Amino acid sequence: DGGITQSPKYLFRKEGQNVTLSCEQNLNHDAMYWYRQDPGQGLRLIYYSQIVNDFQKGDIAEGYSVSREKKESFPLTVTSAQKNPTAFYLCASLFMDGVNYGYTFGSGTRLTVV
Amino acid sequence: AQSVTQLGSHVSVSEGALVLLRCNYSSSVPPYLFWYVQYPNQGLQLLLKYTSAATLVKGINGFEAEFKKSETSFHLTKPSAHMSDAAEYFCAVSKGGGTSYGKLTFGQGTILTVHP
Repeated sequence: DGGITQSPKYLFRKEGQNVTLSCEQNLNHDAMYWYRQDPGQGLRLIYYSQIVNDFQKGDIAEGYSVSREKKESFPLTVTSAQKNPTAFYLCASLFMDGVNYGYTFGSGTRLTVV
Repeated sequence: AQSVTQLGSHVSVSEGALVLLRCNYSSSVPPYLFWYVQYPNQGLQLLLKYTSAATLVKGINGFEAEFKKSETSFHLTKPSAHMSDAAEYFCAVSKGGGTSYGKLTFGQGTILTVHP
């Protein structure tokens, strides 16, 4: 079945470390997104990419970086510049044609600073 | 900029009672509207979506929502709550592709508790 795979499910980061969250899709979707979820704040957009080798900052991009070298992959790096990285991270892709419009979400990665 | 407001961060109902989760949005163009459900430590599952077809949208698990343009609302309802409906629910809006890039804006979420 097609879908989005996020790994790992749980990730622990020490102070000052960079960590990379994986997001892979086999849906042939062009657009992909990273969201951060904190209790009571909903989901906030970190970065998004419409096509390979192109991406834009979302609402809370500071302290994060991404790459889009392949259509299937959109990894997110949480850098040491992100002061409060403990959160739940969700990756999504967008499907749209002339009739249908919708999103597929991964199962998320929970990042904890230790 | 688009925004979404979910009224009530916590809603509690009895099993068998009506579920009503409120969502109001702002958008400068006709939007796409979504309701998602999330169980702990899981991703988002689509309940239903409005994409400019019928204003009354039926979703999975007995949920439905009505798009009311004049009220800029998209409230989620279910006639009879089940214990398995206990979860967090998110309303979200998108202005579509093109220059909006398909960005999805979420409400703050509503935690639904169902008690026996």
